[in-house]
Amino acid sequence: GDSVTQMEGPVTLSEEAFLTINCTYTATGYPSLFWYVQYPGEGLQLLLKATKADDKGSNKGFEATYRKETTSFHLEKGSVQVSDSAVYFCALIQRSNYQLIWGAGTKLIIKP
Amino acid sequence: ETGVTQSPTHLIKTRGQQVTLRCSSQSGHNTVSWYQQALGQGPQFIFQYYREEENGRGNFPPRFSGLQFPNYSSELNVNALELDDSALYLCASSLPRQGNYGYTFGSGTRLTVV
Repeated sequence: GDSVTQMEGPVTLSEEAFLTINCTYTATGYPSLFWYVQYPGEGLQLLLKATKADDKGSNKGFEATYRKETTSFHLEKGSVQVSDSAVYFCALIQRSNYQLIWGAGTKLIIKP
Repeated sequence: ETGVTQSPTHLIKTRGQQVTLRCSSQSGHNTVSWYQQALGQGPQFIFQYYREEENGRGNFPPRFSGLQFPNYSSELNVNALELDDSALYLCASSLPRQGNYGYTFGSGTRLTVV
């Protein structure tokens, strides 16, 4: 079945460092790909998305490119802030059933 | 526009009891999904409702059931609660067949079974 694999956390960085959180997926067809963020004590917020190969999703300085050849959707940010500390989830959805398949999440800790 | 609202925010129940969680979808969204998120894990799909009917279900037993109402709000019911049902329950809504553009999530209901 479909699955999403993310790098394990926690990932600890200093403020203004470069961030990469790896995400790879296994799926049939052409799923849409997402990054969601969950701040402490809150629900999930859509961070960015890409609906087809080579699309680049971006929001709040975060970017991710849908790479079909490597089945990857890595999340990047050039300069992280303390406020970016949260858990980040990579997910995919199939157009056939609109069920979200999630990675396990990666906790990001940014130190001042 | 209002987002997705869930109630209650926190709940404590005893093993064997029944619980009902509620969700009001974002304005205009008539597709509602429910997810269970255990501590430290990613969400797991429970089921989805569209036009008041279940149109997708994850690997959850029948004691997890739901309803969707004409105003698109939804309920999740769990019977015969077990300790492992302790989790954050998330409701998400979307426009019909627009889930591939992303769902809007509520803040969740934290259920603790003792």
